Amino acid sequence: EDKVVQSPLSLVVHEGDTVTLNCSYEVTNFRSLLWYKQEKKAPTFLFMLTSSGIEKKSGRLSSILDKKELFSILNITATQTGDSAIYLCAVKGAQKLVFGQGTRLTINP
Amino acid sequence: NAGVTQTPKFQVLKTGQSMTLQCAQDMNHEYMSWYRQDPGMGLRLIHYSVGAGITDQGEVPNGYNVSRSTTEDFPLRLLSAAPSQTSVYFCASTLDTSADYGYTFGSGTRLTVV
Repeated sequence: EDKVVQSPLSLVVHEGDTVTLNCSYEVTNFRSLLWYKQEKKAPTFLFMLTSSGIEKKSGRLSSILDKKELFSILNITATQTGDSAIYLCAVKGAQKLVFGQGTRLTINP
Repeated sequence: NAGVTQTPKFQVLKTGQSMTLQCAQDMNHEYMSWYRQDPGMGLRLIHYSVGAGITDQGEVPNGYNVSRSTTEDFPLRLLSAAPSQTSVYFCASTLDTSADYGYTFGSGTRLTVV
């Protein structure tokens, strides 16, 4: 059975801290791994990763994939209160996009 | 482009009632899917379709029906609503399931069954 597991499930930090969110997976016919940010409504796309070891960056956010060990991390540096959200990891298999449970990140001022 | 449009945005049903959640996309995406999101459980796949006339079950299909008569539309039917179906429902689509294409999500339908 396809499975995506995120950790931690919840994280509370202070503004300015750096956080690392984890995602491990077991998905048949892996195509890509995606990270989403979800605030009030629909998930919004952050990154798509297909190759091991190649870091993707967007401002203070970065992510990397390890296809040998079957995991990915999402880093956020110099966190801001606007980073508070649920971060979802999803893995695209042959015909399905399988989501993890999400990490609820809270940034306190 | 409108992207993925879901209607209604909110709905309250009584136990045993039936209803259809609508999903339409105007991007000529072959692949469409329905998810439900409950607190602490991420998004779980209900049904998906890889093209018009083709549907398949996801992780939590019981109590839901789908059909795909056109490329644009992928409605989700609740046959006899139950309180366990109280959830937020998202429709998502992608051009195809190769590695290169991401998914576009609708804005969601918040359903409450009383």
